[in-house]
This record gives sequence, structure tokens and C-alpha cells, in this order.
Amino acid sequence: QIQLVQSGPELKKPGESVKISCKASGYTFTDYAMNWVKQAPGNGLKWMGWINTQTGKPTYADDFKQRFVFSLETSASTAYLQINNLNIEDTATYFCTRWGYYDGSGYFDYWGQGVMVTVSS
Amino acid sequence: DIQMTQSPASLSASLEEIVTITCQASQDIGNWLAWYQQKPGKSPQLLIYGATSLADGVPSRFSGSRSGTQYSLKISRLQVEDIGIYYCQQASSAPNTFGAGTKLELK
Repeated sequence: QIQLVQSGPELKKPGESVKISCKASGYTFTDYAMNWVKQAPGNGLKWMGWINTQTGKPTYADDFKQRFVFSLETSASTAYLQINNLNIEDTATYFCTRWGYYDGSGYFDYWGQGVMVTVSS
Repeated sequence: DIQMTQSPASLSASLEEIVTITCQASQDIGNWLAWYQQKPGKSPQLLIYGATSLADGVPSRFSGSRSGTQYSLKISRLQVEDIGIYYCQQASSAPNTFGAGTKLELK
């Protein structure tokens, strides 16, 4: 069955970096784009951007263009999100989610379990 | 960016009751709208795509509809397992934007 399994929770200090992973299984990794979504505590969902799993080209939403890096390890069917120079506002759960195509458009059809990143001094 | 205005922010309903959640798009998005359910402590799950199509495995008591730029999610007979937060999302143009969510609780 299709699964997206993410790495475990992270506790970091301001200014540090974090890299979280999302391992896909049950489908051909390069057939579907991978997206990242942020959910701050008690808040809604915010789309961060996506990465083309065939070319490795990332696309970032405006609020995530400066310190955020999407990458791939295609041989391991794994996508990564790295956040540099962490600040308190980065405290959130980060989800990877597959972009499935239905009736000519893309929707987030499978989700990882989420990674809680806590930034605290 | 396209804004998605979701209402109500919270909703308390009884078992077997009919529940309706709405989402208003700030501009025409056609049928490019999805609904997601997020149960407490879990990741979101796709319920509806293309405004009206049920995702695989979703019970038939869920349905979606569209009237112009207003979209609705209806639960025909509320069950205990339907408790959670519901989000709409437009897939018409980047950036993908979500509604603020509707928290559904049991009365």
C-alpha cells in the first residue's frame, strides 16, 4: 500500500538547521510530485511548495523562499526538507504529501504522519 | 493569491445530524477544489476532489457541491468518527491555498 513515512520529532535551538525526511513506498516515486505543508500549533495548513521528483527542481511558496530547501534521494524514494537558521516561528508540524492527479488537476492524496519541529532556546 | 474563506470556524452537531461546511473562493476556481479531514493528532486525509468527487474509501455520507464560487461539504448523517477539522483547498492556481478550517465537535 502507498505510504509516506517521515522522520522523528526534532528539538532545535534558534539559528540551527534541521533536515527531515519523507520516505515513499508502494508507488513509483518519480511519477508524482512531492509537496510540503506546514501546520503551526493550533493553526491551519500552509502550503510550502513542491519538488519535481523527475528533475529535482523545487518550487517554493513566497513565504518559504529564503531558508527552506527541498531535495531528493531518488534511489531511496526519499524527499527531504531542510530548514536553515531556525527561529521560533518555525515551530510546527511539517507534512510531506503526494500530489496525485485527478480529473486534470492535482490534489494531496497521500500524507506523511508529520514531523514536529520545536525551536526553543 | 486566491483566498478561501471557510465557515463556520467551529460547529457542534449531534449524531445522525446533517452537517454543512462552506468555502468561498475569492475568484473563479472552477471545480478545482478539495476537502480534507484531519482527525486529532493525525495527518489530513483527502475526502473530496474536483469539488464533487469522492476520494477512494470515503463513506458515501460525505458529498461536495458547488454554486458559483461557493463550495459546500455535506455530511448526511454525522458519525462519531467524523469528528475533526475540515479544510478546503483550491487547486486552480499556485500557491495552493487552504481555508482556515472548520472544527467539528459532537454536541
